[in-house]
Amino acid sequence: QSVLTQPPSVSAAPGQKVTISCSGSSSNIGNNYVSWYQQLPGTAPKLLIYENNKRPSGIPDRFSGSKSGTSATLGITGLQTGDEADYYCGTWDSSLSAGMVFGGGTKLTVL
Amino acid sequence: QVQLQESGPGLVKPSETLSLTCTVSGGSISSYYWSWIRQPPGKGLEWIGYIYYSGSTNYNPSLKSRVTISVDTSKNQFSLKLSSVTAADTAVYYCGRLLFPYWYFDLWGRGTLVTVSS
Repeated sequence: QSVLTQPPSVSAAPGQKVTISCSGSSSNIGNNYVSWYQQLPGTAPKLLIYENNKRPSGIPDRFSGSKSGTSATLGITGLQTGDEADYYCGTWDSSLSAGMVFGGGTKLTVL
Repeated sequence: QVQLQESGPGLVKPSETLSLTCTVSGGSISSYYWSWIRQPPGKGLEWIGYIYYSGSTNYNPSLKSRVTISVDTSKNQFSLKLSSVTAADTAVYYCGRLLFPYWYFDLWGRGTLVTVSS
């Protein structure tokens, strides 16, 4: 069971918009930056969003991130079939079991 | 640009020690935090631990008793040792660069599958 909670799956049609939620607590999301990663089938994760809402160079602005309280959200607009992947949120957890934590991952299906 | 490459045995026997090395190319290992993350087949990501180039470490509490991460700045490499492995340690192991104190992995290796089996 992951420290951060994500929906197991989401789906939408090409061209549509989808959001993926990531829920945590005050010891992790509530007091630390959130990052998001895209993992295409058979490949390593790739950084999509860092410091809650910043995009690395080369990541299109169709991808966005936000944080409010102890939850974070990844948004993807103008969905493309190439966006089909697993998406993970991550952050630092400052509790007694301190360390980097991830959500369980969300499988995005572009119908 | 900076690239990471994992290397090591793909098969380890139960109760033995898993050993992997991550080679950093195209840049210096200095002034950064470096990490190991694993992913069991069909499952999510699990952080194993990190090391600063100076040698200070921090490990996942659930693995701490079995994990050692070390760094060799002369070779631009850092390494993972996981002792007393079982089938539950079968996973793809990734090395990554951790940006502190922003807590995100900006670079990842391609990963290497390690299977624990007799």
